[in-house]
Amino acid sequence: GQNIDQPTEMTATEGAIVQINCTYQTSGFNGLFWYQQHAGEAPTFLSYNVLDGLEEKGRFSSFLSRSKGYSYLLLKELQMKDSASYLCAVRDFSGGYNKLIFGAGTRLAVHP
Amino acid sequence: EAGVAQSPRYKIIEKRQSVAFWCNPISGHATLYWYQQILGQGPKLLIQFQNNGVVDDSQLPKDRFSAERLKGVDSTLKIQPAKLEDSAVYLCASSFGGSTHNEQFFGPGTRLTVL
Repeated sequence: GQNIDQPTEMTATEGAIVQINCTYQTSGFNGLFWYQQHAGEAPTFLSYNVLDGLEEKGRFSSFLSRSKGYSYLLLKELQMKDSASYLCAVRDFSGGYNKLIFGAGTRLAVHP
Repeated sequence: EAGVAQSPRYKIIEKRQSVAFWCNPISGHATLYWYQQILGQGPKLLIQFQNNGVVDDSQLPKDRFSAERLKGVDSTLKIQPAKLEDSAVYLCASSFGGSTHNEQFFGPGTRLTVL
């Protein structure tokens, strides 16, 4: 089966660093995405990993370990506008086509 | 470049009524997706189209939900009759297929409330 786990909620202070973890189980792994979703808005693409290692993009970085079924999203120099839900999504190819499976999301609250 | 368009943005209906949502993907995007997102959960795929053909509708409750993409561009999702548990945000997304990541671009969603 397919399963994606991430913490439900996290809080952090403005200017700090936060790491949001995601573990997954899937039979046809074909990449992992992180999306940001502000309350009442659509998800927006943040990062993509398909090979092991770290991908850095400004204040955001994402890490993948395929052997461990593990990823994290690292947010540096937190700003109030980073308060949002962060969705981990695995692309699965086990059905012969690409399908995106989302976790429930981690609600991040950044406070002054 | 225009994003994914959806309408209406909000809809309130009573149970057993019918409702339809419309989506216009980003121009040139062959793949179109409909997701259901219940409050506090991640999006759940209902149906995926490649041009005007269905790729995956395994999680679509076919006794009450239907979707079409007749000309391979815009799409409609219908619920008939609606149940209380259908209250959710219905997100439409599209992807190009030829890009490196093939990431999905989401529309603003339709928030459905069933009373």
